[in-house]
Amino acid sequence: DVVMTQTPVSLSVSLGGQTSISCRSSQSLVHSDGNTYLYWYLQKPGQSPQLLIYKVSNRFSGVPDRFSGSGSGTDFTLKISRVEPEDLGVYYCYQGTHYPFTFGSGTKLEIK
Amino acid sequence: QVQLKESGPGLVQPSQTLSLTCTVSGFSLTSNSVHWVRQPPGKGLEWVGAIWSGGSTDYNSALKSRLSISRDTSKSQVFLKMNSLQTEDTAIYFCTRSGGDWGQGVMVTVSS
Repeated sequence: DVVMTQTPVSLSVSLGGQTSISCRSSQSLVHSDGNTYLYWYLQKPGQSPQLLIYKVSNRFSGVPDRFSGSGSGTDFTLKISRVEPEDLGVYYCYQGTHYPFTFGSGTKLEIK
Repeated sequence: QVQLKESGPGLVQPSQTLSLTCTVSGFSLTSNSVHWVRQPPGKGLEWVGAIWSGGSTDYNSALKSRLSISRDTSKSQVFLKMNSLQTEDTAIYFCTRSGGDWGQGVMVTVSS
């Protein structure tokens, strides 16, 4: 199975600040069709996960441009700028290239 | 408006079979995939399996021998059946449309 390693495990950010989360996969996530199926999710307390970024760098409908994704191959980054109170929760990366699809273990974001 | 709603028994006895239903609206099952994802209490996310728009299925290899996903397109429903349940299967079970839209989840407890 593809192992998704997220760092850091947790982070504390001031309101209005900027931060980033790293996700590394144990295999390249480039699919044979040429796409890279790397996604980022935010799970707010007591809620279902919500999609932020799909295929590395595309923001899902309604996601503010404060969230941006980048990377390629096995190394990926989620950047959050101008952090707001509603950004708190656990962030997960997820790969949909290799079966079984797998999630990272999560990064908990707290607001200072 | 896209909606997904999971339903099923909250409590299942060990070694018994779990049956869950995901009822969807606002989109067609013949044009979209539906995935099941689960989350043990206080832990991370695990991809369970998927049924694709054409009706084919893929399962997490760790669960494959116990798992079946099917659908009734006329009723806009997707079904998950998992047998030989153990306490480790206790989790919130989510259904999601291609990872973008999610149901609220249903808590399943495996206990005698």
